[in-house]
Amino acid sequence: GAVVSQHPSWVICKSGTSVKIECRSLDFQATTMFWYRQFPKQSLMLMATSNEGSKATYEQGVEKDKFLINHASLTLSTLTVTSAHPEDSSFYICSAGALWQGSEAFFGQGTRLTVV
Amino acid sequence: SQKIEQNSEALNVQEGKTATLTCNYTNYSPAYLQWYRQDPGRGPVFLLLIRENEKEKRKERLKVTFDTTLKQSLFHITASQPADSATYLCALASGSARQLTFGSGTQLTVLP
Repeated sequence: GAVVSQHPSWVICKSGTSVKIECRSLDFQATTMFWYRQFPKQSLMLMATSNEGSKATYEQGVEKDKFLINHASLTLSTLTVTSAHPEDSSFYICSAGALWQGSEAFFGQGTRLTVV
Repeated sequence: SQKIEQNSEALNVQEGKTATLTCNYTNYSPAYLQWYRQDPGRGPVFLLLIRENEKEKRKERLKVTFDTTLKQSLFHITASQPADSATYLCALASGSARQLTFGSGTQLTVLP
């Protein structure tokens, strides 16, 4: 199946700094990618939809100025957590897939962010 | 409001038995439903997709049913093995939606 690669798999950063997470589709072009956040023992919560060449669409309650999304090419979307705080510590996962065609979603490995 | 519920947070099953997981939804008219497996610290992996006009789908030891009247999907793993231990997530998408909405997941443990 298709492969989505996410990097880094884990990161520890100091409070107040910014962290960038990359999501790449390795063997297909993804005009749309999705960013999720998952807290321990909870399900995936959609944060935003990343659209190639245009602005991301954020879900209600997600601060777009804090979680910057850039989808500059058909194979790469990035999520930057700006001015990170300990409460931003979570598991961040990206996905891609032609869901509107009834296809499955392909997920990255996830990034464990710890803000200290 | 739309809600997706998976029957229990945790389920223990003896090796060799059938594990049955439940996904119920309200205020939703999904075009299709998907099941994913998630291992600790990893992203979900797709298992099965079933469309609204399908009653049942099978793949090896996996079987999914979809009852749009009851607004419920059942996910069965037959002849379960300890390697099947993981969290299983159901996810819904409407016909026009380009994203999935996930249930809270059921953590399955298959006991040897």
